[in-house]
Amino acid sequence: GAVVSQHPSRVICKSGTSVKIECRSLDFQATTMFWYRQFPKQSLMLMATSNEGSKATYEQGVEKDKFLINHASLTLSTLTVTSAHPEDSSFYICSARPRTGWVEAFFGQGTRLTVV
Amino acid sequence: GNSVTQMEGPVTLSEEAFLTINCTYTATGYPSLFWYVQYPGEGLQLLLKATKADDKGSNKGFEATYRKETTSFHLEKGSVQVSDSAVYFCALSSNQAGTALIFGKGTTLSVSS
Repeated sequence: GAVVSQHPSRVICKSGTSVKIECRSLDFQATTMFWYRQFPKQSLMLMATSNEGSKATYEQGVEKDKFLINHASLTLSTLTVTSAHPEDSSFYICSARPRTGWVEAFFGQGTRLTVV
Repeated sequence: GNSVTQMEGPVTLSEEAFLTINCTYTATGYPSLFWYVQYPGEGLQLLLKATKADDKGSNKGFEATYRKETTSFHLEKGSVQVSDSAVYFCALSSNQAGTALIFGKGTTLSVSS
């Protein structure tokens, strides 16, 4: 299968600071990547769809100014949590689907964000 | 719209017991269906998939058959192991480019020795 690498796996930051999470497709090109948020013992909540070279599409209720997404190349998307607060603490997971030949999506390892 | 419903857990089994996790879906057209597994603190790994009716996906002793007549994709394993303890997600893809997978709520499986 294809490989998606997410970094960092774990980050602790102070309230009010910003944190950037990277998502890379290592062996395929992805015009579209997806960012999810997962609360403890709950399913994945789709936050936004990241499109290479254009603006991300955010799901209803997700603050685009709080969660900045940049998809600058066919192999890299970044999620920046701006002015983080304790309620932003969560598990964030990225996903990508290869452009051709695959119906499934591949997932990064996830990032555990703790805001103190 | 498209949706996935899977049985709520937790499911608690003894080692070597038979496992079934039910999953049903609602979709227009001909979706692809998946089971993903998530171990604690990790991302999701694809367990198996089926892309058309009557396809059977299988991997690591797990199986699921795409049943269009009952809109189901139930996950089964004949003999579970402690190492199978994880959260299992049923998912659906509309196969349209640029669209995210739609997930069920996940089922936690706990296997004891």
